[in-house]
Amino acid sequence: AQRVTQPEKLLSVFKGAPVELKCNYSYSGSPELFWYVQYSRQRLQLLLRHISRESIKGFTADLNKGETSFHLKKPFAQEEDSAMYYCALSTSGTYKYIFGTGTRLKVLA
Amino acid sequence: EAGVAQSPRYKIIEKRQSVAFWCNPISGHATLYWYQQILGQGPKLLIQFQNNGVVDDSQLPKDRFSAERLKGVDSTLKIQPAKLEDSAVYLCASSFLRQGRGERELFFGEGSRLTVL
Repeated sequence: AQRVTQPEKLLSVFKGAPVELKCNYSYSGSPELFWYVQYSRQRLQLLLRHISRESIKGFTADLNKGETSFHLKKPFAQEEDSAMYYCALSTSGTYKYIFGTGTRLKVLA
Repeated sequence: EAGVAQSPRYKIIEKRQSVAFWCNPISGHATLYWYQQILGQGPKLLIQFQNNGVVDDSQLPKDRFSAERLKGVDSTLKIQPAKLEDSAVYLCASSFLRQGRGERELFFGEGSRLTVL
């Protein structure tokens, strides 16, 4: 069965500290992994996708197929990074999207 | 470009009543998804449409939930009769079709918050 696991419900860090939001997945096929973000009073939106291998707002994520992980990282957290972050897995063929339970990131001043 | 539109934004009903939610996806987006997000949980896929055909409705409680996408554009999600555990935010998302194994971004609406008393 396909599954996305985000072990931390809440992550609090100080401004300027490094951030790592964990995501592990379970899928027997070839996965596409995404990070979605929801800022306060805004709709859920795409942050980045593994296939693009890009850095968005200073965030990066590397797909590790051996560890079935797709952790989100940022070297220096900013207060505006405070939001709810969801890891998502898209299955090949049907393009079904499965979301994790989310991690709330709080960046403290 | 207009985003995904949903209505109503909020709805409060009593258990056993019925409710309907409407979604208008981004123009040209062939794929439409309905998700249920219960407080403290991630979005859970209820149903996925490709144009006006159902791709996946394996997690839709079909005894009380129904959804349709007439003409492959707008979609409605109905709950009848509602239960207390249906209290959640119902999210609609759409994406456009790319050929082959490509990138597909989901565009979400603001959601419809349902409270069942």
